[in-house]
Amino acid sequence: EAGVTQFPSHSVIEKGQTVTLRCDPISGHDNLYWYRRVMGKEIKFLLHFVKESKQDESGMPNNRFLAERTGGTYSTLKVQPAELEDSGVYFCASSQGRSSTGSGETQYFGPGTRLLVL
Amino acid sequence: TQLLEQSPQFLSIQEGENLTVYCNSSSVFSSLQWYRQEPGEGPVLLVTVVTGGEVKKLKRLTFQFGDARKDSSLHITAAQPGDTGLYLCAGFKTGANNLFFGTGTRLTVIP
Repeated sequence: EAGVTQFPSHSVIEKGQTVTLRCDPISGHDNLYWYRRVMGKEIKFLLHFVKESKQDESGMPNNRFLAERTGGTYSTLKVQPAELEDSGVYFCASSQGRSSTGSGETQYFGPGTRLLVL
Repeated sequence: TQLLEQSPQFLSIQEGENLTVYCNSSSVFSSLQWYRQEPGEGPVLLVTVVTGGEVKKLKRLTFQFGDARKDSSLHITAAQPGDTGLYLCAGFKTGANNLFFGTGTRLTVIP
């Protein structure tokens, strides 16, 4: 069974540019999560999809971040325009979705996308 | 505000030594998990503890959930160089779907 994949693995862009990150969850997983770690800080939650619907986007830092999951399969996270403080590692995770709330379910993490904004 | 405090942040020990990593919070969690992360990879789940006071063992690793479900510890017996890595604790709040992570403990085991 293929794990969670993320693309690209690294991205270096200039401030003001746009970057789109992609996450392919494990096949059949209804829940998809985005997290990120900025330098020196802990991994923090960004948002949670259940199939194609946004269940919780309370962790999104501002409206420069837009996440989509059309068709309930892969997801994209777009940052536009990127700022210096957006640099960090962006992780995607997925879980099956058997729990009614998703709480406590094992989340499988992708390798992350390392974003550097110059 | 850091919800889960891990200590120590860095730990360098000799092969064969024992060690304990702590994960503390003032908040109650419905469950707590421990992950290990290698460079260039995402966190990989080691264990989930759910019940207050629960102890789980995974070979040389022993995990404990505090009675009040606010803290946890990871104890490694006779550490080996293969144990080197970043250890993360993370918890679920009741009814929440997202994980709250600690800052991590970077362990180096010297041969």
